[in-house]
Amino acid sequence: KAGVTQTPRYLIKTRGQQVTLSCSPISGHRSVSWYQQTPGQGLQFLFEYFSETQRNKGNFPGRFSGRQFSNSRSEMNVSTLELGDSALYLCASSTGQVFTEAFFGQGTRLTVV
Amino acid sequence: AQRVTQPEKLLSVFKGAPVELKCNYSYSGSPELFWYVQYSRQRLQLLLRHISRESIKGFTADLNKGETSFHLKKPFAQEEDSAMYYCALIRGGTSYGKLTFGQGTILTVHP
Repeated sequence: KAGVTQTPRYLIKTRGQQVTLSCSPISGHRSVSWYQQTPGQGLQFLFEYFSETQRNKGNFPGRFSGRQFSNSRSEMNVSTLELGDSALYLCASSTGQVFTEAFFGQGTRLTVV
Repeated sequence: AQRVTQPEKLLSVFKGAPVELKCNYSYSGSPELFWYVQYSRQRLQLLLRHISRESIKGFTADLNKGETSFHLKKPFAQEEDSAMYYCALIRGGTSYGKLTFGQGTILTVHP
């Protein structure tokens, strides 16, 4: 069974630009969560989607948004990039209804210059 | 709001020595606790969860609600245990996939 796939693996963007990251969950998984990982703040929850609906949201500004498609694939978008948005963005999938385990992707490393 | 604290950023032990990675949490309800591990150049993966009461790769963790702790223990550390370890919590109810992570502990096991 293929694992969680995140694309692209690396991104370099300029301040003020926007970026879209993609996540393909494990086949059959309907929940996708996104996390931001930085050396200073550690792993912080961004949002979680299930059946194309956002079920939970972390404490991030509105510049961070996401969506989920009918095939459970998810995208997150960050608009008006700031230097502080440089981080590893991790996606995790789980079966959905009842949380048992989150399976993580390898992440997208975003660098804002 | 819930919080997870891992007081040790770095932990070094020698092969064969016991190891304990500390995790304390604050949450007034009934949480579910997990330990995740990230080996070098690998993705973050689940090591164990408290409700399973399993021993994985020789590691065990007991949820102590009185002390609000979920320390990870192994009696005899191996070099392949060197990794970053994260303690994580999920609230009961409608938290779904929202994990709250500690800051992580880097474990180094010396030969």
